[in-house]
Amino acid sequence: QQQVKQSPQSLIVQKGGISIINCAYENTAFDYFPWYQQFPGKGPALLIAIRPDVSEKKEGRFTISFNKSAKQFSLHIMDSQPGDSATYFCAAGQAGTALIFGKGTTLSVSS
Amino acid sequence: EADIYQTPRYLVIGTGKKITLECSQTMGHDKMYWYQQDPGMELHLIHYSYGVNSTEKGDLSSESTVSRIRTEHFPLTLESARPSHTSQYLCASSENRPGHLQAFFGQGTRLTVV
Repeated sequence: QQQVKQSPQSLIVQKGGISIINCAYENTAFDYFPWYQQFPGKGPALLIAIRPDVSEKKEGRFTISFNKSAKQFSLHIMDSQPGDSATYFCAAGQAGTALIFGKGTTLSVSS
Repeated sequence: EADIYQTPRYLVIGTGKKITLECSQTMGHDKMYWYQQDPGMELHLIHYSYGVNSTEKGDLSSESTVSRIRTEHFPLTLESARPSHTSQYLCASSENRPGHLQAFFGQGTRLTVV
């Protein structure tokens, strides 16, 4: 049973466009929702994270939108750049358990 | 930059050999994890630990074993490597308290079993 569902599997966006990746979770006990960015040959690195007591968090061009009632959260990348081309993973977790990751989204930003 | 280290980075080994993948972190984190990942694909949790002498199996069935004798060290062992074990293995660590759950990943070990 997959607890975190991520979509789309792949995404192609033109330079300067907005990239949107969505995730849905099932366990209402989760209280930590991070997004990780992974480049080929590297381990995932934390991009941005949110707690369920806020509906939005913005860091530079990256924004997480969180909808607690719908049990969904999304990553928005504004003004997407070729350097943003990577695989993005959403995750969910709580103290005392391991982070559960989505299946990943491969983003390609065309110049 | 995260202080979590994996060795070796790359390993090519013959079928039937015993191997140990090393993972160490200097952040004093209680929680440590091993994930298996094929290139560009999802992360499968194979083992995790909440602290010294604590180990649990993850969601993906694995023929590997782990140990946690010291807080900073979480090695993964394959007693008899098979070609189906060819993959990338990622180690991660995190604190275990609310609001401090960020997981830091190592660079990974790419294992090829021939």
